[in-house]
Amino acid sequence: KAGVTQTPRYLIKTRGQQVTLSCSPISGHRSVSWYQQTPGQGLQFLFEYFSETQRNKGNFPGRFSGRQFSNSRSEMNVSTLELGDSALYLCASSSTPGRTPGPNSPLHFGNGTRLTVT
Amino acid sequence: QKEVEQNSGPLSVPEGAIASLNCTYSDRGSQSFFWYRQYSGKSPELIMFIYSNGDKEDGRFTAQLNKASQYVSLLIRDSQPSDSATYLCAVNPPTSGTYKYIFGTGTRLKVLA
Repeated sequence: KAGVTQTPRYLIKTRGQQVTLSCSPISGHRSVSWYQQTPGQGLQFLFEYFSETQRNKGNFPGRFSGRQFSNSRSEMNVSTLELGDSALYLCASSSTPGRTPGPNSPLHFGNGTRLTVT
Repeated sequence: QKEVEQNSGPLSVPEGAIASLNCTYSDRGSQSFFWYRQYSGKSPELIMFIYSNGDKEDGRFTAQLNKASQYVSLLIRDSQPSDSATYLCAVNPPTSGTYKYIFGTGTRLKVLA
């Protein structure tokens, strides 16, 4: 089974520009989550989608947005880039919709997109 | 208090020894616990998950969960230099919502040959 695929692997952008990152989940996985990883803050949750609906959102400004398509593929967009947005952006998929308060199945991460803002 | 805490390390162990990595969490209602390994410059890779109190073994890895004390640990037996990486603990607190996993900042493990 193919893993989670993220494109592009590397991006260099200038402050003020916008960027779109893409993620294809593992076949059959319907939940897609996005995380930002920086050396200082570690892994920070951005948002999670299931069946084209955003179910959860982290504490990021509105410049960060995402969407999910009917085939479960997902994109995230960052507008008006700032230097502090430089990070590794990770997409992860999971196989079950999640049952609260029941246990959730693990996240499987893609290779990430390393974004550098200059 | 952070939601998920890990000692940043580095934790240095000799080859062949047991490495013990610990993680504490603040939300007592948490039910899903995961350990990931992340090599430098790479993405996190799932090692183990545990949902019930007690031990869960998978090869050289054992996850231990103690919900009463709110900690989860990972033991790596017969540590190898290839185990040198950062180990991330992740928890899904019920108050955070579905699939909003909270990650610790990770413990860097160095296995000395």
